[in-house]
Amino acid sequence: DQQVKQNSPSLSVQEGRISILNCDYTNSMFDYFLWYKKYPAEGPTFLISISSIKDKNEDGRFTVFLNKSAKHLSLHIVPSQPGDSAVYFCAAKDGGQFYFGTGTSLTVIP
Amino acid sequence: NAGVTQTPKFRVLKTGQSMTLLCAQDMNHEYMYWYRQDPGMGLRLIHYSVGEGTTAKGEVPDGYNVSRLKKQNFLLGLESAAPSQTSVYFCAGGGPYNEQFFGPGTRLTVL
Repeated sequence: DQQVKQNSPSLSVQEGRISILNCDYTNSMFDYFLWYKKYPAEGPTFLISISSIKDKNEDGRFTVFLNKSAKHLSLHIVPSQPGDSAVYFCAAKDGGQFYFGTGTSLTVIP
Repeated sequence: NAGVTQTPKFRVLKTGQSMTLLCAQDMNHEYMYWYRQDPGMGLRLIHYSVGEGTTAKGEVPDGYNVSRLKKQNFLLGLESAAPSQTSVYFCAGGGPYNEQFFGPGTRLTVL
């Protein structure tokens, strides 16, 4: 059973607007959450992470929010740029293991 | 620095054949991981290692074996390949803040 879910397979956003990517999880033992970006024919690239003891982490245009009570994670990209078009994966850590969502394909329209 | 590299990039096997995928890293990562990515499934952890000489099972370990004889190398073996193992395989090294650095992937087809 999928412990990390990304229910939106795709998202389209105008350049300059905000992109919000969502992720839900079921395992309350997850202690660390991460977002990765992936271009075709390449490996995923780390974007941003957050510990379970925090509810927000910001890095430039990228902000991750964690709502532990709702078991919900989101990534905000502001402003969105065409180069942000890629597949985004959320991931969660339990002990030594990482669990990934199925990905959301973001298209930023110029 | 090359980062995390994977060999080979592509491979086609027949059912029942064996092969080894090599992952090498020059970033001094203690942790290393092998994942497979299938359409609609995201990345799933096969095996991982928390240090030289250690290995552990991940989410989908059946049909695979691994070895970490040297810190910089993590090998993934398929003893008897099956069509269900057709996938893209990614290796990653673990950073100090839990982030992972991924290799470019190996596309494996089992006929």
